[in-house]
Amino acid sequence: AQSVTQLGSHVSVSEGALVLLRCNYSSSVPPYLFWYVQYPNQGLQLLLKYTTGATLVKGINGFEAEFKKSETSFHLTKPSAHMSDAAEYFCAAISSGSARQLTFGSGTQLTVLP
Amino acid sequence: DTGVSQDPRHKITKRGQNVTFRCDPISEHNRLYWYRQTLGQGPEFLTYFQNEAQLEKSRLLSDRFSAERPKGSFSTLEIQRTEQGDSAMYLCASSPLKRGVRADTQYFGPGTRLTVL
Repeated sequence: AQSVTQLGSHVSVSEGALVLLRCNYSSSVPPYLFWYVQYPNQGLQLLLKYTTGATLVKGINGFEAEFKKSETSFHLTKPSAHMSDAAEYFCAAISSGSARQLTFGSGTQLTVLP
Repeated sequence: DTGVSQDPRHKITKRGQNVTFRCDPISEHNRLYWYRQTLGQGPEFLTYFQNEAQLEKSRLLSDRFSAERPKGSFSTLEIQRTEQGDSAMYLCASSPLKRGVRADTQYFGPGTRLTVL
């Protein structure tokens, strides 16, 4: 079964610093990969997704992620953190089989320090 | 596009009571999903509809849970004889049906937070 692992349940960065949130998937066949952001008491908002093609994917709010098949990773980055980036971030995958449901990681809470 | 809406946003109930949640997907989205999110965890898939047909159900969906989408528009999720372990955020998502697209984007609603006392 597909699984998604997010290393680091809490990440703190200073405002203006690089944001790096880690995500690894477990599948011999690369799945389709997503990053979602969740603000308190709200639903999930899509940041970006990888299906096929270019391995560097650009999303909203200055975020991007790179799909690396050799490392089974899909890490999320942003060059310069902003206070408004403080939220919980979820990596998710849809397997390339018949299933359509998202399998989520356990999430990473990002804190941005002034 | 008014987004996915869910009602109620919060529900507090006593153990053993039945509860029902409603989800209104984005207009013309054929696919509708229910997920459950417990504190400190990512959402877990419960079930999925394409139009009015319920195509997939997770093993998490015990016989106390039932979901419907009678006319292929809104959906309801009912939990019978609630237990304290049912306390969670219940999220609904919808996506359009696009031929040839495997990984359609799922748009999430704000969720219904259930507390079982």
